[in-house]
Amino acid sequence: ETGVTQTPRHLVMGMTNKKSLKCEQHLGHNAMYWYKQSAKKPLELMFVYNFKEQTENNSVPSRFSPECPNSSHLFLHLHTLQPEDSALYLCASSPAEWGGLTDTQYFGPGTRLTVL
Amino acid sequence: DQQVKQNSPSLSVQEGRISILNCDYTNSMFDYFLWYKKYPAEGPTFLISISSIKDKNEDGRFTVFLNKSAKHLSLHIVPSQPGDSAVYFCAAKGQGGSEKLVFGKGTKLTVNP
Repeated sequence: ETGVTQTPRHLVMGMTNKKSLKCEQHLGHNAMYWYKQSAKKPLELMFVYNFKEQTENNSVPSRFSPECPNSSHLFLHLHTLQPEDSALYLCASSPAEWGGLTDTQYFGPGTRLTVL
Repeated sequence: DQQVKQNSPSLSVQEGRISILNCDYTNSMFDYFLWYKKYPAEGPTFLISISSIKDKNEDGRFTVFLNKSAKHLSLHIVPSQPGDSAVYFCAAKGQGGSEKLVFGKGTKLTVNP
């Protein structure tokens, strides 16, 4: 596998469920990101991990819980979500968060989440 | 308050003609700008970028122009091809030294054969 992969690609869950999204990057990068894309809104940065340490939490509700066990893997644990959390969740990676302005972020295909 | 704006949600162009996608920004601290392209069911892929010290960057059929005084950038695709049909996102970074990307809402480009 190359690039950034995300599983599952689609997820439907009830408001009382607990589920997790997984992201894996095969690019040797040290920074990983979670973004949310809601309909008709720009991509919104949720979390940033740099060398496995969380360096950014963009005022995300606690029902979203990220985990970064190593530089290649990133999880987003979901519990007691609301229907308005339905969106496309995108993972990205880059060489390092402060690697320089010209560092490019590479995105995974996303998980389309529907909360019933 | 949106710092990066793409005011045209969609654009339709004939194959072989030029596509011009526009982006405006409000934060004068931004000093690096990127365009990403997104096909359905795929993540955004990096297309082309430009630093604020330049006013033009070209890569094959794709050229990005930056007008700092107007806080405006544009992506030109010429000649446009049906395979260019996708959503194009403008992004900016560098505000106050931050390298976090700030995205626009995207413009859906359709290139008709």
